[in-house]
Amino acid sequence: AQSVAQPEDQVNVAEGNPLTVKCTYSVSGNPYLFWYVQYPNRGLQFLLKYITGDNLVKGSYGFEAEFNKSQTSFHLKKPSALVSDSALYFCAVRDWGTGFQKLVFGTGTRLLVSP
Amino acid sequence: EAGVAQSPRYKIIEKRQSVAFWCNPISGHATLYWYQQILGQGPKLLIQFQNNGVVDDSQLPKDRFSAERLKGVDSTLKIQPAKLEDSAVYLCASSPVTGGTDTQYFGPGTRLTVL
Repeated sequence: AQSVAQPEDQVNVAEGNPLTVKCTYSVSGNPYLFWYVQYPNRGLQFLLKYITGDNLVKGSYGFEAEFNKSQTSFHLKKPSALVSDSALYFCAVRDWGTGFQKLVFGTGTRLLVSP
Repeated sequence: EAGVAQSPRYKIIEKRQSVAFWCNPISGHATLYWYQQILGQGPKLLIQFQNNGVVDDSQLPKDRFSAERLKGVDSTLKIQPAKLEDSAVYLCASSPVTGGTDTQYFGPGTRLTVL
């Protein structure tokens, strides 16, 4: 079965500094990878996805993610963090289950951006 | 474009009581998902519908959980009887079709507390 791991429960960064939220994956076949963000009392919002093509994927709100096949990683990045980026971030991978696709999520990383 | 709608947003019940959640997906989306998100964990798929048919319910506790999607549009998820461990946020998501690269769009969720 496909899986993702988010090794950090929390990431702290100062506003204006670059941020990285880590994700590693374990898949058989080609990985389809996603990042979602969850604000308090809100559902998950889609940020970006990697299907194929360029290893650097650009998404919403200035976020991007770098797909690295040799390191089996898909880290989320942003050049300059905002206080409003503080939220819970989930990495996910497409799994084929019973023949229909479904998402398998990591445990989440809380990002805290300080002023 | 209207997003995924869910109600109620919050529900508090006693154990052994029953509860039902409602979801209305994005118009035209054929695939509907129900996820359970326990505090501190990533969302876990409970059931997936393609139009009005179930395509994956392998992780649904069928002795107490049931779901339906009549007419292939909105859906209800029911728990009867509820247990303490069912306390979680129940997320509904939809996607256009069941394809390998589809993005899932999430509703705000229903936070269930079982006392």
